[in-house]
Amino acid sequence: AQSVTQLDSQVPVFEEAPVELRCNYSSSVSVYLFWYVQYPNQGLQLLLKYLSGSTLVKGINGFEAEFNKSQTSFHLRKPSVHISDTAEYFCAVSVRLTGNQFYFGTGTSLTVIP
Amino acid sequence: DAMVIQNPRYQVTQFGKPVTLSCSQTLNHNVMYWYQQKSSQAPKLLFHYYDKDFNNEADTPDNFQSRRPNTSFCFLDIRSPGLGDTAMYLCATSRGRTGGALDQETQYFGPGTRLLVL
Repeated sequence: AQSVTQLDSQVPVFEEAPVELRCNYSSSVSVYLFWYVQYPNQGLQLLLKYLSGSTLVKGINGFEAEFNKSQTSFHLRKPSVHISDTAEYFCAVSVRLTGNQFYFGTGTSLTVIP
Repeated sequence: DAMVIQNPRYQVTQFGKPVTLSCSQTLNHNVMYWYQQKSSQAPKLLFHYYDKDFNNEADTPDNFQSRRPNTSFCFLDIRSPGLGDTAMYLCATSRGRTGGALDQETQYFGPGTRLLVL
């Protein structure tokens, strides 16, 4: 069975400080990995994804993530956060064999403090 | 711009009164999904269509139905809403498996419909 764990439910960080949001997954087969951001009362917006190739992927708004197969992790990072980054962040996994099924983590609420 | 559109953005209904939520897409994607997201929780998949093939999740209540009359549109019908159905409902699309094309799996979400059952 597949599962996604976001270890931190809430992350407060000061403006212009770096941040890392952690995501671990469990799967016995190859996966695709995604990070989505959700602002209040809005849908999910794709931040970045790993499908294949380079394990370091860059996304929108200055975010990046690194796929680590041995540690089954896909942590999201940003070197300097802005107030506008305050939002809910979801990690998701799609299993290559089953295709359409997404497994979401429980989300991490990032709060940027002025 | 190609996108996923949901209407209405906000819907208030009474306990037991049927409600229909609408989703349309201009991406020409094969797969359309409906998720339910309750406050401070992750989205929960209710069902999805791969073209015309309907795939229901095992734990989706019978109260929730869906229709996909064509590629562009998909509807979520809640036949007799209960108070516990108050949630954000998200529609998403993905390309699906089409002859080995890349990026078949990425799901693109609409803005959501926030449903309040009174």
